[in-house]
Amino acid sequence: GIQVEQSPPDLILQEGANSTLRCNFSDSVNNLQWFHQNPWGQLINLFYIPSGTKQNGRLSATTVATERYSLLYISSSQTTDSGVYFCAVELAGNQFYFGTGTSLTVIP
Amino acid sequence: DAGITQSPRHKVTETGTPVTLRCHQTENHRYMYWYRQDPGHGLRLIHYSYGVKDTDKGEVSDGYSVSRSKTEDFLLTLESATSSQTSVYFCAISSGGAVGQFFGPGTRLTVL
Repeated sequence: GIQVEQSPPDLILQEGANSTLRCNFSDSVNNLQWFHQNPWGQLINLFYIPSGTKQNGRLSATTVATERYSLLYISSSQTTDSGVYFCAVELAGNQFYFGTGTSLTVIP
Repeated sequence: DAGITQSPRHKVTETGTPVTLRCHQTENHRYMYWYRQDPGHGLRLIHYSYGVKDTDKGEVSDGYSVSRSKTEDFLLTLESATSSQTSVYFCAISSGGAVGQFFGPGTRLTVL
């Protein structure tokens, strides 16, 4: 089956710092999605981005489908950005496969 | 928030007992999914549905069955719960359009 790898697995930042999270996938996909799981366990849809670049406030994402990777950029990080960030790829038949996540801790 | 609820939110049960988890949506979305989340594994797809009475297996379907008799409800059943099924279970919905999936709040299941 498809492999979805995220890096780094863990990240600790000082408040105000910038970061880049990466998602690599081993095969062609129909779509890609980024999620944030907050410390209370809630999964929040950040971006639906099969290709190209999208921005939403301090967050932006870029997917290069031909090279099988996606990047999530967090600028001017805040403590509320803490949690786990997942990417998920969608294959034919509307099946989604998740990476194992990047755990982000933002320190005041 | 997308209109997705899960019930129960927490459950403790014993090995060998049947368990049914319910996912309810008010969005009239076509696709519904059940995932489990375990440390070190991210989220793994158990079963999904692409319409009323239309379901298919996911990555980790052994020991689970599902049913969808109405658009708004998707049930996950553990016929005989085992300790390896202790997990957090998430339901998700999707319209199949360019917005992706939205998740429910999750159900924490403990099998003793």
